[in-house]
Amino acid sequence: KQEVTQIPAALSVPEGENLVLNCSFTDSAIYNLQWFRQDPGKGLTSLLLIQSSQREQTSGRLNASLDKSSGRSTLYIAASQPGDSATYLCAVRKDKLIFGTGTRLQVFP
Amino acid sequence: NAGVMQNPRHLVRRRGQEARLRCSPMKGHSHVYWYRQLPEEGLKFMVYLQKENIIDESGMPKERFSAEFPKEGPSILRIQQVVRGDSAAYFCASSPQTQGSGGTEAFFGQGTRLTVV
Repeated sequence: KQEVTQIPAALSVPEGENLVLNCSFTDSAIYNLQWFRQDPGKGLTSLLLIQSSQREQTSGRLNASLDKSSGRSTLYIAASQPGDSATYLCAVRKDKLIFGTGTRLQVFP
Repeated sequence: NAGVMQNPRHLVRRRGQEARLRCSPMKGHSHVYWYRQLPEEGLKFMVYLQKENIIDESGMPKERFSAEFPKEGPSILRIQQVVRGDSAAYFCASSPQTQGSGGTEAFFGQGTRLTVV
């Protein structure tokens, strides 16, 4: 059974810091891994999709890496801003998406 | 191309009533997934459907819950005789048909927040 863990559970940082969010999964037989953002009371916004054959993806200030063999992914956020405050979820997919419990990020001015 | 549309956004039901949640996938998407998010918890998989077929319902409670994705129209998640513990946000996601072992991106709707009073 696939289990997805995210560390840390919560993070509070001053504006401008570079951040690393971690995601680990127990079964490496995945098709892809997706990072999402969820704002309070809102839906999920897809940030990055990494296929199982890829090592990383970049979008703006976000960079996600995938090490399938070790069951790990990291989301790197450069020069954090207060608008980045949200819960970040990783999800691994074979037939269906299995989610981690999320990292709640707060960036203060 | 509109995103994944869920309605209603908010639904209030009394205990014992039925709740019907609708999800219209993105155009061209034939796969639909339903997830439940309890307050302060993560997203839990409920059911995975393709047109007219239930592919995986391993996350669905055995009683009172059912889902369908007909040939025409939206996917429906139906909860009969709701109880307070059903209060949660229910999210729907859709994706295109997978090709071989390739994984495609899933897109989520804004969710339906069900409150049972």
